[in-house]
Amino acid sequence: DTEVTQTPKHLVMGMTNKKSLKCEQHMGHRAMYWYKQKAKKPPELMFVYSYEKLSINESVPSRFSPECPNSSLLNLHLHALQPEDSALYLCASSPRTSGSTDTQYFGPGTRLTVL
Amino acid sequence: GQSLEQPSEVTAVEGAIVQINCTYQTSGFYGLSWYQQHDGGAPTFLSYNALDGLEETGRFSSFLSRSDSYGYLLLQELQMKDSASYFCAVNTGGFKTIFGAGTRLFVKA
Repeated sequence: DTEVTQTPKHLVMGMTNKKSLKCEQHMGHRAMYWYKQKAKKPPELMFVYSYEKLSINESVPSRFSPECPNSSLLNLHLHALQPEDSALYLCASSPRTSGSTDTQYFGPGTRLTVL
Repeated sequence: GQSLEQPSEVTAVEGAIVQINCTYQTSGFYGLSWYQQHDGGAPTFLSYNALDGLEETGRFSSFLSRSDSYGYLLLQELQMKDSASYFCAVNTGGFKTIFGAGTRLFVKA
């Protein structure tokens, strides 16, 4: 299984809603990532988990809350988002743990619209 | 600051060869990756260079010169399905990857 899956594919939410994005991989990868991508822009790193521990938080607002319940799952909890948070949210995983090299495998993304 | 520079757009005809360049200026460097992304899709990994030289994978090749902070992706025998955005990305260490702004490749018949 060389796939990263993400649910839901699309999400529309109001600014007062609470929702969660889910990501799953069964490749035995021990590093997992959340990226945000706006249209016609590159992916921007948000969070990295290594061995289920938060390794990188790129100064992301607290309305985004990541969680890594186990080595296969990664969640992104959303609360009180703003319309400018509308974007494609990509999950990725990589097999190496040293951080020196990483081939990242991306999921299909969740397209989020905040009204 | 940290920056990766790549052309915004490249146009080529089917069957031709195209080269997409990437120059980088980063605080750390462990390797240069290339990703392809079709509209509406997710980035997919194409190649990775940690050391100077050329890496070849089928129709795609990637080159790195660490002394020049420069790399390129070479696509041969272009096909219509190669029309996509191509991102160079630098691993700066500690799991951190910085992506270039992307190059949109248009392949014409």
